[in-house]
Amino acid sequence: AQRVTQPEKLLSVFKGAPVELKCNYSYSGSPELFWYVQYSRQRLQLLLRHISRESIKGFTADLNKGETSFHLKKPFAQEEDSAMYYCALSGGGTSGSRLTFGEGTQLTVNP
Amino acid sequence: DGGITQSPKYLFRKEGQNVTLSCEQNLNHDAMYWYRQDPGQGLRLIYYSQIVNDFQKGDIAEGYSVSREKKESFPLTVTSAQKNPTAFYLCASSIIDRGDRGGEQFFGPGTRLTVL
Repeated sequence: AQRVTQPEKLLSVFKGAPVELKCNYSYSGSPELFWYVQYSRQRLQLLLRHISRESIKGFTADLNKGETSFHLKKPFAQEEDSAMYYCALSGGGTSGSRLTFGEGTQLTVNP
Repeated sequence: DGGITQSPKYLFRKEGQNVTLSCEQNLNHDAMYWYRQDPGQGLRLIYYSQIVNDFQKGDIAEGYSVSREKKESFPLTVTSAQKNPTAFYLCASSIIDRGDRGGEQFFGPGTRLTVL
């Protein structure tokens, strides 16, 4: 079975402060990990995926297979980063194209 | 803002009634998905389909049914057997790449269902 855990339901930081949204997963095979974001009144959309190794909107995430984590980080948070963030896992194999999502973390960046 | 559309935006239903939520995509994606979004529980997969005329149960399929008669359409029926149907429902679609893995999922705007 595959499982994704986001331990923080709410996270509040001040503008310019570093931010880290935690994501841990359990999966026996070789997973593909994603971060999705939902801004207020907008659709859920992909932020980044680990295989791309990109920095999107200043965010990065590194897959740590030893710790089974995929934490999302940004060195200097901006007010426009306030949103709901979901970590997700794709296992492939018999699970095919399905994603398993975490519970989500609501990030608020205060001025 | 096309791509993937859901209708209606808001839906009210009386207890004991079945109701069908529409999901259409013009992205030529093979795979389509239905999720339920509840506060504090994230997105939970109800059903998904990787090809026309075939679909698989997700984690919370009880009380729901789907069909996939056309590549573009994946309607979800919430039946009277669903014990707690009031929720926000999201539809998504994706390509299937690298063998059996899904690509990026594209989401619709959602339907908020309220059971009265």
